[in-house]
Amino acid sequence: QVQLVQSGAEVKKPGASVKVSCKASRDTFNDFYIHWVRQAPGQGLEWMGWINPKRGGSNSAQKFQGRVTMTSDTSISTAYMELTNLRSDDTAVYYCARVFGVVGEFDYWGQGTLVTVFS
Amino acid sequence: QSVLTQPPSASGTPGQRVTLSCSGGTSNIGRSFVYWYQQLPGTAPKLLIYRSNQRPSGVPDRFSASKSATSASLAISGLRSEDEADYYCAAWDDSLNNWVFGGGTKVTVL
Repeated sequence: QVQLVQSGAEVKKPGASVKVSCKASRDTFNDFYIHWVRQAPGQGLEWMGWINPKRGGSNSAQKFQGRVTMTSDTSISTAYMELTNLRSDDTAVYYCARVFGVVGEFDYWGQGTLVTVFS
Repeated sequence: QSVLTQPPSASGTPGQRVTLSCSGGTSNIGRSFVYWYQQLPGTAPKLLIYRSNQRPSGVPDRFSASKSATSASLAISGLRSEDEADYYCAAWDDSLNNWVFGGGTKVTVL
């Protein structure tokens, strides 16, 4: 059974950083890319970027470049997304999803991690 | 402002057929497959359609989709109460080197 299990909700102050984790099964980690998508309250989906967990390559949407870092730890089949210099409009549910490459279907999603940026 | 354009809402009575639209451009829908995701209230999105018109196993054949030029559509036939959800289209954009999503259509079963 494919599962992507994300870390719990976070509350951060403006200017802080947050690191969200996404634990996958080993075959997912070896064969798929992990993408990150966020959803602000009452809003639509916004793609943030991807990481190839096995090889370590990554890329992010231009909007987030300079503020987002995607990493992975192959020993525990976990991907991470760190977003720095948080602002109130970064308040959102952050999802990880697996894709067989950069382009393809997001066939399984994590349960989501709510990040609230609040002063 | 989403790159792909979807109507914000659609509705129908049980048993009806509802069609949702998704409009894009030559750099995304025009040269890429379209994907559709269903998001039930309070849950993560779920893959509904891949490669413009393919259903993953487990998705009822009441859901069908098509693509033409720079637009795509998702049809739900035999509408059921459990179809009440937000529906998002998505495509890879070659110019932005980005995935782009529509703003979503909220389907209400009357």
